[in-house]
Amino acid sequence: DQQVKQNSPSLSVQEGRISILNCDYTNSMFDYFLWYKKYPAEGPTFLISISSIKDKNEDGRFTVFLNKSAKHLSLHIVPSQPGDSAVYFCASKRTGNQFYFGTGTSLTVIP
Amino acid sequence: DVKVTQSSRYLVKRTGEKVFLECVQDMDHENMFWYRQDPGLGLRLIYFSYDVKMKEKGDIPEGYSVSREKKERFSLILESASTNQTSMYLCASSLSHGFYEQYFGPGTRLTVT
Repeated sequence: DQQVKQNSPSLSVQEGRISILNCDYTNSMFDYFLWYKKYPAEGPTFLISISSIKDKNEDGRFTVFLNKSAKHLSLHIVPSQPGDSAVYFCASKRTGNQFYFGTGTSLTVIP
Repeated sequence: DVKVTQSSRYLVKRTGEKVFLECVQDMDHENMFWYRQDPGLGLRLIYFSYDVKMKEKGDIPEGYSVSREKKERFSLILESASTNQTSMYLCASSLSHGFYEQYFGPGTRLTVT
């Protein structure tokens, strides 16, 4: 049973525009959320995170928004760059150290 | 920079063989994890360890075991490999006590024939 869902397997965006990647979760006990980026033939790398006590966290071009009532998380990338083309995974945890990952969204930024 | 290394990038094994996947991290992290990544299923946790000789089952531990004899090393063992264990295996590590970011190795693509 998938507790974290990324319903869009792929997304294409023009360079310079905004990329919005979405993630939904089912467990209201999740208290911490992360986004990872994965290039082919490499392991995922941490991008940005947010605690459930916040609704927004920003780091440069990357902003994560959390809507707890909707159990929805989104990652905004502005402006998008060709080097952002990768697979993006969201992950959520409740107490303890076990994370639940989504299925990933493949982002293509078109020059 | 945290470095997580995995013993092989590609591995081909036969059905029934015992398979060892090794993972080493160099940043003194308490927690270590083994995931498998399959198309359409994302990353699924097999086992994790929060200390030497300690282990916890993840979501899909069946057919796997783990060993953590030293803090920096976490091994995944397939006791008798089967074709449905063909997958990408990813090892990760993290600090404990409020630091949740996991650092991943490059992955091992295992094919069981």
